[in-house]
Amino acid sequence: QKEVEQDPGPLSVPEGAIVSLNCTYSNSAFQYFMWYRQYSRKGPELLMYTYSSGNKEDGRFTAQVDKSSKYISLFIRDSQPSDSATYLCAMSASGANSKLTFGKGITLSVRP
Amino acid sequence: EADIYQTPRYLVIGTGKKITLECSQTMGHDKMYWYQQDPGMELHLIHYSYGVNSTEKGDLSSESTVSRIRTEHFPLTLESARPSHTSQYLCASSELGLSGAGYTFGSGTRLTVV
Repeated sequence: QKEVEQDPGPLSVPEGAIVSLNCTYSNSAFQYFMWYRQYSRKGPELLMYTYSSGNKEDGRFTAQVDKSSKYISLFIRDSQPSDSATYLCAMSASGANSKLTFGKGITLSVRP
Repeated sequence: EADIYQTPRYLVIGTGKKITLECSQTMGHDKMYWYQQDPGMELHLIHYSYGVNSTEKGDLSSESTVSRIRTEHFPLTLESARPSHTSQYLCASSELGLSGAGYTFGSGTRLTVV
């Protein structure tokens, strides 16, 4: 079993839809949770960052962490064609030398 | 502007050639990483470094080598390119000593070996 599992996709939604992207993990030491967005032929860019459990909102994006269930989510409200990209979850444990563990990524397409 | 740069963006090269993929960052980050990413596939860590003269192999076995002579520079070298090396190579950096630090990625080098 992989440490981080991400819904496989791809996902296609109409413009304006609410999108829910999810990851599960098995390592209870993970404390830091991130979502990266990767446009075609570009490197991933950090979209959302959360420490421990709880919600974090930034504009149309909400990141949610449930450590008791080892489950994280990214919600996109009022989705736009410009949101079409691959979304990767990533997480790490505490400690200066901890490395990020990435999910496989899910490709989202928002249809105009 | 603080950033991470990779060159070249695209490279098509013949089998058996030696190539070096360049990666430089202006953020003063001590940690640097090389990932390999095939289309639709996950990121695979192939090398990382926690500072000058420090290099380690990652989770994915790779025939490439890296060096870290300067903090800002982390080149990756393939001594003899093969078609199986065709992939996208991504360089990233993060701060040392900061627990849970996110990574900053470059735009990648898309390598094709013919």
